[in-house]
Amino acid sequence: NAGVMQNPRHLVRRRGQEARLRCSPMKGHSHVYWYRQLPEEGLKFMVYLQKENIIDESGMPKERFSAEFPKEGPSILRIQQVVRGDSAAYFCASSPSGTETQYFGPGTRLLVL
Amino acid sequence: DQQVKQNSPSLSVQEGRISILNCDYTNSMFDYFLWYKKYPAEGPTFLISISSIKDKNEDGRFTVFLNKSAKHLSLHIVPSQPGDSAVYFCAASRLLQGAQKLVFGQGTRLTINP
Repeated sequence: NAGVMQNPRHLVRRRGQEARLRCSPMKGHSHVYWYRQLPEEGLKFMVYLQKENIIDESGMPKERFSAEFPKEGPSILRIQQVVRGDSAAYFCASSPSGTETQYFGPGTRLLVL
Repeated sequence: DQQVKQNSPSLSVQEGRISILNCDYTNSMFDYFLWYKKYPAEGPTFLISISSIKDKNEDGRFTVFLNKSAKHLSLHIVPSQPGDSAVYFCAASRLLQGAQKLVFGQGTRLTINP
């Protein structure tokens, strides 16, 4: 049973470009969470999605960031017009339901030049 | 507003001894607590959890203790092994809209010395 998959593992973008981060949850999991970890800090919640629905996006920056979890395919975290402050590790987690343990993927390390 | 705090950035323990990692929280509405372990360049790995209706949960070498009145939890690892060297994060949540939105501490880097 494969774990949570994230790709790419590393992503380099120049300021102003777009970044797309993908997350495939564990088999049988329909709940996806995105977290961001800045250097030397803990993980910070960004958004919680179920298939085709955003449940809680209280941790998402108001501009440039968006997330989706379509009926088919992976969840996507999209960052438009990236800035240097977006450089961080972005982790996706999944769970079978909203009340069960979250299992994390290996993360995508975004570097903005 | 740091609702979950791990005040020790690092901890060094001799192999075979007990490792005790501490975590404090401020939000009394938190009802579920977890510990994750993280190696460099990997995602956090779930270790153990505890509900607010309990004060102790044990799983092999790992035991988590919860003191609700002090808003404090701790993770005990005994005996400590070299493979336990990693960063440990505590996390807390409250059941809100059916979602376990995790609030993480800053992490404690545990080093087990042979």
